[in-house]
Amino acid sequence: AQSVTQLGSHVSVSEGALVLLRCNYSSSVPPYLFWYVQYPNQGLQLLLKYTSAATLVKGINGFEAEFKKSETSFHLTKPSAHMSDAAEYLCAVSSGSARQLTFGSGTQLTVLP
Amino acid sequence: SAVISQKPSRDICQRGTSLTIQCQVDSQVTMMFWYRQQPGQSLTLIATANQGSEATYESGFVIDKFPISRPNLTFSTLTVSNMSPEDSSIYLCSVENPRGLSYEQYFGPGTRLTVT
Repeated sequence: AQSVTQLGSHVSVSEGALVLLRCNYSSSVPPYLFWYVQYPNQGLQLLLKYTSAATLVKGINGFEAEFKKSETSFHLTKPSAHMSDAAEYLCAVSSGSARQLTFGSGTQLTVLP
Repeated sequence: SAVISQKPSRDICQRGTSLTIQCQVDSQVTMMFWYRQQPGQSLTLIATANQGSEATYESGFVIDKFPISRPNLTFSTLTVSNMSPEDSSIYLCSVENPRGLSYEQYFGPGTRLTVT
């Protein structure tokens, strides 16, 4: 079985501040991990993915995430928030032969001017 | 990546009726998925649809309520049957990376359904 926990359903940061969105996973086999972003009234866009290569993964729009097996975490960061980063961020895991994604509950990011 | 379109983009339906949602992909894909996103919640997988076989439903979802068709490698439909207000959600289809690598999925824009 696989599961994802996202700590903090709402996160607010000031423009220019560090963004840190937390994601912890549970998987009985080595996982694939993903971050998706969902802008209002739009579909999901893949931000970045971990697929057992480099543990530090860089994605679009300046986001990156680090896979830490010992902590079963895959936190998303961005050094400097921009107003356009305001959106819903969803962490997901896929493992084993299931090939389906299990999503976390999501984190709504608000960027304050 | 893959470009995915869904029809309709939104609809308002009366309870007791049914709505069929279409999902079209611009490339051939083996696996397609249907998700539901209820208001204020994350995505929940309804079923996995492979071409040429019966869809596989997740716990809590049944074929009589959510029949799925997968007639070819670029198209699928999801029907929401005998609708009630609790079915008001965004329904999204997704496809696995056409290259079959790393299990990433690409999502359609979603169908926003309101049942009155």
